[in-house]
Amino acid sequence: AQTVTQSQPEMSVQEAETVTLSCTYDTSENNYYLFWYKQPPSRQMILVIRQEAYKQQNATENRFSVNFQKAAKSFSLKISDSQLGDTAMYFCAFMNLQGAQKLVFGQGTRLTINP
Amino acid sequence: DSGVTQTPKHLITATGQRVTLRCSPRSGDLSVYWYQQSLDQGLQFLIQYYNGEERAKGNILERFSAQQFPDLHSELNLSSLELGDSALYFCASSVGGSPNTGELFFGEGSRLTVL
Repeated sequence: AQTVTQSQPEMSVQEAETVTLSCTYDTSENNYYLFWYKQPPSRQMILVIRQEAYKQQNATENRFSVNFQKAAKSFSLKISDSQLGDTAMYFCAFMNLQGAQKLVFGQGTRLTINP
Repeated sequence: DSGVTQTPKHLITATGQRVTLRCSPRSGDLSVYWYQQSLDQGLQFLIQYYNGEERAKGNILERFSAQQFPDLHSELNLSSLELGDSALYFCASSVGGSPNTGELFFGEGSRLTVL
């Protein structure tokens, strides 16, 4: 079974700083997706960024980028120039492309951006 | 707005009761997923339906059941409720039975409180 681990329950940075959230996962599969979802106080799950495992190039979406290390099974999220609106719970998630394609989530990291 | 609609947004009930949560997927999406988010278990996959048929099952209790109707909306039925069933229940949808892009679109969730 796949597992996703986020070792940082909480993080706090100042506005405009850069912050990196950690995520590791465990799988024996070779074809999968990795995701970062954001859950603001409104509680809706919002996709931040997606990475296909077969792609070596790290995904980037504006201020959000990932460091995908497939051999190490590591998938960290970097937020540059952090903004107050980035305050939220961030969940790392894994989806296997074989069998039941369900999202497996980590426990989440509560990120607070301070003014 | 993800386009996924969940009702009710909040629900308070007593132990032993039965409730039904409803989800309308995005227009054109054939797959519906149900997730449970609780403080101690995090985000857990419950069940997936594709075009009216059960596609995958996760950690769904026998007291819980779901179905997807011909108009593609889905209902999650929770019976013989216990205090531990208090959680946020998310519905998500994707275009096909196998989300090629990996992206699920989440509703705002239904907050269930069992007293």
